[in-house]
Amino acid sequence: NAGVMQNPRHLVRRRGQEARLRCSPMKGHSHVYWYRQLPEEGLKFMVYLQKENIIDESGMPKERFSAEFPKEGPSILRIQQVVRGDSAAYFCASSRTSGTYNEQFFGPGTRLTVL
Amino acid sequence: KQEVTQIPAALSVPEGENLVLNCSFTDSAIYNLQWFRQDPGKGLTSLLLIQSSQREQTSGRLNASLDKSSGRSTLYIAASQPGDSATYLCAVDGANSKLTFGKGITLSVRP
Repeated sequence: NAGVMQNPRHLVRRRGQEARLRCSPMKGHSHVYWYRQLPEEGLKFMVYLQKENIIDESGMPKERFSAEFPKEGPSILRIQQVVRGDSAAYFCASSRTSGTYNEQFFGPGTRLTVL
Repeated sequence: KQEVTQIPAALSVPEGENLVLNCSFTDSAIYNLQWFRQDPGKGLTSLLLIQSSQREQTSGRLNASLDKSSGRSTLYIAASQPGDSATYLCAVDGANSKLTFGKGITLSVRP
């Protein structure tokens, strides 16, 4: 059973370009979460999605960031017009359910570097 | 707002020592607490999940306890090995499915 997959593992963008990060959840998991880990900081929640629905986006910056989890295909975290402050590791997690036994499994992350 | 604290930020011990990693959180209204391991430049590996109704969970040399009323969890590692060297993260699910993380404890086990 393959784990959570993320690609690319490393992504380099110049300021002003767009970054697209992909996440394929574990088989049988319909809940997807995105977290960001800035240098010297802890992981911070960004957004929680189920298929075709955004459940909670309270951690997403108001501008330039968007996320989707379509009926078919991976979840996408999109960052438009990237700035140097967007450089971070972005982790995706998935779970089978929500509730008290909501064990989240994490992917290897995408390390975004903005030049 | 939930806050999770892990102190100290770093710990160095000789091989074979039993050790305890601490985690505290400010809001006791949680669904569960998870302990993770993160190796440098890698993703997170889930070690143990304790539901809010449970007191402890065990997996191999690892034992995690939860005291919800006092807002504390500990991760006990028995007979530490150099391969245990990593950053250990504590995270709580505050009944809204989003995890709040501590900053982690970087453990170094010396041969």
